[in-house]
Amino acid sequence: DGGITQSPKYLFRKEGQNVTLSCEQNLNHDAMYWYRQDPGQGLRLIYYSQIVNDFQKGDIAEGYSVSREKKESFPLTVTSAQKNPTAFYLCASTRGLTSSYNEQFFGPGTRLTVL
Amino acid sequence: KQEVTQIPAALSVPEGENLVLNCSFTDSAIYNLQWFRQDPGKGLTSLLLIQSSQREQTSGRLNASLDKSSGRSTLYIAASQPGDSATYLCAVRPNSGYALNFGKGTSLLVTP
Repeated sequence: DGGITQSPKYLFRKEGQNVTLSCEQNLNHDAMYWYRQDPGQGLRLIYYSQIVNDFQKGDIAEGYSVSREKKESFPLTVTSAQKNPTAFYLCASTRGLTSSYNEQFFGPGTRLTVL
Repeated sequence: KQEVTQIPAALSVPEGENLVLNCSFTDSAIYNLQWFRQDPGKGLTSLLLIQSSQREQTSGRLNASLDKSSGRSTLYIAASQPGDSATYLCAVRPNSGYALNFGKGTSLLVTP
């Protein structure tokens, strides 16, 4: 089955630690996205990538970093510079940016908690 | 910046009712609009996508309409069931960008 997988499902971070969230898709989609979801605030865009080896900052990129070395993978690192990282993180992908039918698909999410 | 608003924030209805969820957006220059469903602690499931040139889309008991000029979309759910209980999110993709701008969602509870 095609889809998006995220791991781990739950992640705990100590103060000062960097942690990496995994996102993999087998949909052959070109574009991938990372969103953060907080209660009562909706989803906010962290980073997105249109093609391999290219990515752009979203609305709340500070304290986060990404890489896109393979089409299938778009890992997100939450660095120690992110002061309030406790949230639900969602990865998404779309077929192609110029496609006329550009439905966005989401993974199951990773819940990150700072201890 | 595109602002997306969903009303009501929460809704409780008895099983079998038809209901309407509302979504409004401030900038009519959109590429498409997508409705999602989210169950507690889960990711988002895409329900319907409406291109900017379309007026509505239907899937089973769901019907979504789009009035781009007035900046509004509605999601109509026919004959609601307890399994429809979830949070429903509206999101728009602007012409000028690639990522979605989300509303905060409507939390729906359908009681038996």
